[in-house]
Amino acid sequence: YVLTQPPSVSVAPGETATITCGGDNIGSYNVHWYQQKAGQAPVLVVHDGDDRPSGIPERFSGTNSGNTATLTISRVEAGDEADYYCQVWDSFRDQSYVFGIGTKVTVL
Amino acid sequence: EVQVLQSGAEVKKPGATVKISCNVSGYTFSDYYIHWVQQAPGKGLEWVGLIDPEDGDTVYAENFQGRVTIIADTSTETAYMKLSSLRSEDTALYYCATVLKSGGGALNNWGQGTLITVSS
Repeated sequence: YVLTQPPSVSVAPGETATITCGGDNIGSYNVHWYQQKAGQAPVLVVHDGDDRPSGIPERFSGTNSGNTATLTISRVEAGDEADYYCQVWDSFRDQSYVFGIGTKVTVL
Repeated sequence: EVQVLQSGAEVKKPGATVKISCNVSGYTFSDYYIHWVQQAPGKGLEWVGLIDPEDGDTVYAENFQGRVTIIADTSTETAYMKLSSLRSEDTALYYCATVLKSGGGALNNWGQGTLITVSS
C-alpha cells in the first residue's frame, strides 16, 4: 500500500497549512499523523483521522475521505516548522504499517 | 506517564549482527504492541516490524524479512530488535514505539532513537 505526500509546503505565520496524504480508498483506513522536528523523535499529532492526543493544540486537525486524507494546521506558528508524516495500518492486506514519504512544512 | 527508553548507539562492521533494546514503563506491557521504525540519515520513516509481548507474535516488513528478529521480555518489560548481515544501508536511527492494541494503529509513544552505524 502506497501513501503519497507532497515533499514540501510553505506557509506564512498565521495562515493555514494543508498537507495531503493520498492512497487507494484511504477513507477506509485509520490515518495517523506525526510531527518530527529537526533532531527529535516523531510525535503523534492526529490519530484515527481527526482525533488529537492530549496536549496537542486544537490548531491541528484532520480529515479523511475517498482517496485523500488531510492534516490542517491553522494559525501556523514558527514552532510548527517540521516534517509531517501520514501513516496507516494495512489491516486489509498484510498487517504492515505504512508511512508516507513526509512533507516538510516551512514557515516563511 | 508512559516512558520509552532505548539503548545507546552502536557501531558495527558489515556482515555483523546488532541487538538493541527498548524498555517501556508507566503502563501495562501486554496492552501494547511494540514497533520498530528505521530512519536513514536525511530520509523518512520506514516501518521495520512489531511484536505482541503477550504471546510473542511478530510481523515484519517485507524489506527486513529474514534479517530482523524482534523479541520481548515481559519480566523486564523490554523489547529487543536484532538485525543481522549488516550493510552500510542499515546505517540509521532506529525508533521503538508503542501501539495500543485496542486502538486504530497509531504509534502513541516513541523512544529517543538508537543510532546504528555500519562501517568497515
